[in-house]
Amino acid sequence: QVQLQESGPGLVKPSQTLSLTCTVSGGSISSGSYYWSWIRQPAGKGLEWIGRIYTSGSTNYNPSLKSRVTISVDTSKNQFSLKLSSVTAADTAVYYCAREDLWYHAFDIWGQGTMVTVSS
Amino acid sequence: QSALTQPASVSGSPGQSITISCTGTSSDVGGYNYVSWYQQHPGKAPKLMIYEVSNRPSGVSNRFSGSKSGNTASLTISGLQAEDEADYYCSSYTSSSPVVFGGGTKLTVL
Repeated sequence: QVQLQESGPGLVKPSQTLSLTCTVSGGSISSGSYYWSWIRQPAGKGLEWIGRIYTSGSTNYNPSLKSRVTISVDTSKNQFSLKLSSVTAADTAVYYCAREDLWYHAFDIWGQGTMVTVSS
Repeated sequence: QSALTQPASVSGSPGQSITISCTGTSSDVGGYNYVSWYQQHPGKAPKLMIYEVSNRPSGVSNRFSGSKSGNTASLTISGLQAEDEADYYCSSYTSSSPVVFGGGTKLTVL
């Protein structure tokens, strides 16, 4: 079955750019039936949707983060990536990648999550 | 966009039923039948429990059910079990930003 796995640095310095990659296994990221999303969760807090990408490269972002977020896809590697610029301590969180069903608008598969700490 | 409103906590005894509410606006919960519910155990990724207001994915117990009235969606868990103790999040499609989550509800099984 399809699995998602996040990877990237666990520590990022303030003002720098956070970069994470999600690798999709067991299925093709080019399937036309899904969006590929990033979601984060600060410790002890709720989920925050960051943004998503479709296989065509079309993106949607959370308006509150839009100026700092870039999501891209590499279909040859079956991966999609997140870049969040000008990070601060408020960006410290567990970052999840997830698959969103195009028709149901529900996140049916999630990665295990990766902790990213913003600190000097 | 504003998060959907959920109670911070709910509790119930084994065997009982509980309901978690998720209140939004006509621009999200009230305007679309794309409400989903997720269960999250400590240190784990969320798991989809309900989609499109009331549909259960394959493998999810029929003790979990969803409904919606106006701008408020609800998740009901019947026959409460110890393993149901977790955080629960609702989400909805929105007209302004494709997705918004609720603040989360901690379910305690007494």
